Amino acid sequence: EPEVTQTPSHQVTQMGQEVILRCVPISNHLYFYWYRQILGQKVEFLVSFYNNEISEKSEIFDDQFSVERPDGSNFTLKIRSTKLEDSAMYFCASSRDTGELFFGEGSRLTVL
Amino acid sequence: QKEVEQDPGPLSVPEGAIVSLNCTYSNSAFQYFMWYRQYSRKGPELLMYTYSSGNKEDGRFTAQVDKSSKYISLFIRDSQPSDSATYLCAMRKGEGSNYKLTFGKGTLLTVNP
Repeated sequence: EPEVTQTPSHQVTQMGQEVILRCVPISNHLYFYWYRQILGQKVEFLVSFYNNEISEKSEIFDDQFSVERPDGSNFTLKIRSTKLEDSAMYFCASSRDTGELFFGEGSRLTVL
Repeated sequence: QKEVEQDPGPLSVPEGAIVSLNCTYSNSAFQYFMWYRQYSRKGPELLMYTYSSGNKEDGRFTAQVDKSSKYISLFIRDSQPSDSATYLCAMRKGEGSNYKLTFGKGTLLTVNP
């Protein structure tokens, strides 16, 4: 069964460092997303990406965040200068035009 | 009022019980409703995806939507210990919404053998 894969599964970084989280969406999907979940809180939307551009972003997704689809398979989330409050699980998701979102296993980011 | 409200539980039931999980929402623009299952420190797994009011059944799972009351439910029949997880409701607006989901906080379910 096709699935969304994410790397790394866990990353520890120092405050102020840049982090890149990587995702390989399901191959025939057209829409890509990043969500995050701070421990004990709800899953929150960060950004959606379609046709090689951002289609929607939340208030959380400020200038410190960026997304990229550098080739035909990968989808990345970059945090330029991490803060303590960026510590969370980051989930990549993808969907076709049906709107059913399929999530990866997540990348746990710990900022020290 | 929060857009999506979900009782966080925890909910503990014996094996074989019928489980009822619920969410309410305030925004009538939500048109599509989903239930996800999330095991500890894992990604959400899509269980059910519904649009119209009424019931949708898939194996031991039944999703129910009442748009007039802004209330959705997930029923699990013959619950198993492997059903122990956090259940998240999620919803999105209609076409042109980029399929952005708004989640409830999740209900932690434990099914005891």
